[in-house]
Amino acid sequence: DVVMTQSPLSLPVTLGQPASISCRSSQSLVYSDGNTYLNWFQQRPGQSPRRLIYKVSNRDSGVPDRFSGSGSGTDFTLKISRVEAEDVGVYYCMQGTHWPPLFGPGTKVDIK
Amino acid sequence: QVQLVQSGAEVKKPGSSVKVSCKASGGTFSSYAISWVRQAPGQGLEWMGGIIPIFGTANYAQKFQGRVTITADESTSTAYMELSSLRSEDTAVYYCARSPPKGAMVPDSSGYYKYYYYYGMDVWGQGTTVTVSS
Repeated sequence: DVVMTQSPLSLPVTLGQPASISCRSSQSLVYSDGNTYLNWFQQRPGQSPRRLIYKVSNRDSGVPDRFSGSGSGTDFTLKISRVEAEDVGVYYCMQGTHWPPLFGPGTKVDIK
Repeated sequence: QVQLVQSGAEVKKPGSSVKVSCKASGGTFSSYAISWVRQAPGQGLEWMGGIIPIFGTANYAQKFQGRVTITADESTSTAYMELSSLRSEDTAVYYCARSPPKGAMVPDSSGYYKYYYYYGMDVWGQGTTVTVSS
């Protein structure tokens, strides 16, 4: 089975500063149709998860444009250009290329 | 705007079973895949299995195979997840979540069809806390 890793697992950030989260897979996430099915989720404290980004770099409706996704193959990154207080929470990458779908371990973002 | 509303918190004894419901409102139900994802206290997200109501066949993660049953009732737009032989490690928040109808049913080497959740899950329920304690 594919293995998903994230780094760092904990990320203290200063308000207004950028933040970057890495997600790596043990196998390429390029599917046979040429697409790469890597998604990002945000889970704020006490809330259900929410999808932010799908297929590497596509933002969901209502997601602020300070969130961006990039990457290819086995290496992916979620970036927050300027962290706001509402961005505190845990961020998970999730691969949909291989079966079963699998989430990364999560990266906890909090304010310094 | 579709919403997924789950049943309330449960407290169960070890060895018993629990059945959690997930009712969809405000949108189409049958053609979307519904997954069940659990989160143990302080832990990450774990996909348990899913179903496409219009097909009626569920897929399960190997870890839960034989212990979990996922069903759907199209007439009431409700999905269910039943977990049996409960143990303390099953204490968790259980989420249902909907996936957009952009995945694919792909046969594996033995001809068993599995649904690929390419785009993850775009609508989530509020979560149901299941506590297993003697």
